[in-house]
Parts: sequence; structure tokens; C-alpha cells
Amino acid sequence: DTGVSQDPRHKITKRGQNVTFRCDPISEHNRLYWYRQTLGQGPEFLTYFQNEAQLEKSRLLSDRFSAERPKGSFSTLEIQRTEQGDSAMYLCASSPRGEETQYFGPGTRLLVL
Amino acid sequence: AQSVSQHNHHVILSEAASLELGCNYSYGGTVNLFWYVQYPGQHLQLLLKYFSGDPLVKGIKGFEAEFIKSKFSFNLRKPSVQWSDTAEYFCAVNLNNAGNMLTFGGGTRLMVKP
Repeated sequence: DTGVSQDPRHKITKRGQNVTFRCDPISEHNRLYWYRQTLGQGPEFLTYFQNEAQLEKSRLLSDRFSAERPKGSFSTLEIQRTEQGDSAMYLCASSPRGEETQYFGPGTRLLVL
Repeated sequence: AQSVSQHNHHVILSEAASLELGCNYSYGGTVNLFWYVQYPGQHLQLLLKYFSGDPLVKGIKGFEAEFIKSKFSFNLRKPSVQWSDTAEYFCAVNLNNAGNMLTFGGGTRLMVKP
């Protein structure tokens, strides 16, 4: 499968723990995006990268959220000191150079107990 | 800030009925417009998109959408729905040539009765 992949697909954690999610974009896609989707809502933009540069991070929900894309390929999204309100689906998308369309992965569903 | 509104949260139709899902956005500049679909248990997939040119765009599976600039609308249509069209549909917008964030509507959950 050559689509966007995300790992893990499901994560259950206890409040206060840190979690890290990984996204592997489609090969050669230089832009990578993170979104959050809560039940009954559309995806909400969090941050995005062009190659390894994080070009927009003001939409990250709090300073507990951070993202990296160190080599311009895969990306990680970390949530520190998780709270029950962080329970959601975390989506990753990528797009190739010169194209506006974003291609989405299957998401990581997070449940914070 | 730009926003996207989808007027219908839930729609129930019988097979062969016609479908129209509303989408309005608030932004005065040049935008790109998208409809994504999420079938049960699957990830978001692109249904169709509009960047410029003919305001009537055709997508996969017989779907089409019409961009009406004066109404800030991008409604999705299908003349005859099938049971397999049961899914959640999301309208999304981003700024033209900015390569940045998509702003999504809240989604419309469509159920097609066989």
C-alpha cells in the first residue's frame, strides 16, 4: 500500500501519560499535515511541514502538543501529560509539491482514561 | 478566519433518490474547494475538487459539485444515490496556492436505505 500510514491505529493511555504518534507520508510528498477530529466534527488543523520545516504551528492546541519531521520524511506528534479532552482521532495527510490536494491516512484513535 | 458550514448534519434517503448537500464558506479571497468522503471504517478520501475554471466539477462515483462564487457555495450533488453511498461527507476549503491548512465543515452523515 503506498498511501499515508499512521502508527499506532489505536492508543489507550492514562491521564498524565505522554503519547507519540507516527505518520509516514506518501513517498515524495513534501508537505505533511496533522489534524484532530472529535466525534461528530470535521477535522481540525493542528500543524504542517514543508520538508523538515514546520511552517504553521499556532493551531496546536496547547504547549503540550508538539510535532517534528526531522528528515523531511516521517513525522511524529507528541502529546505530553495527556488529558481526557485529548481523546480524539489524530489524522495525518500529505501532498506533493505543486499540488493542493491532501491525501489522508487512516488516523490514530486516542482514548485517555 | 475562514469557516465552512454544512447545513445538513444527517440525511436519510432511499436508493435512487437525488442528493444535494449544502456547503457554504466564509472567505473573500481565492479559495480551493474540496469534498471528501469517509465510508464506514475507512479513511477520508477525495471525492472531487475545484481550483479554477468550469464551476461545475465532476468527481468519482457519479458525484458533482457546483461552485457559485456569488453565494460562497460549493454544493455536492448526485442524481441517483446507491446504498453504497452511505458515508459521511465533508466539505473543505483552503487558500489558493498557499499549500496550507484545510478548513473543514462539520460533516453530513448520509444514510441510504436499500
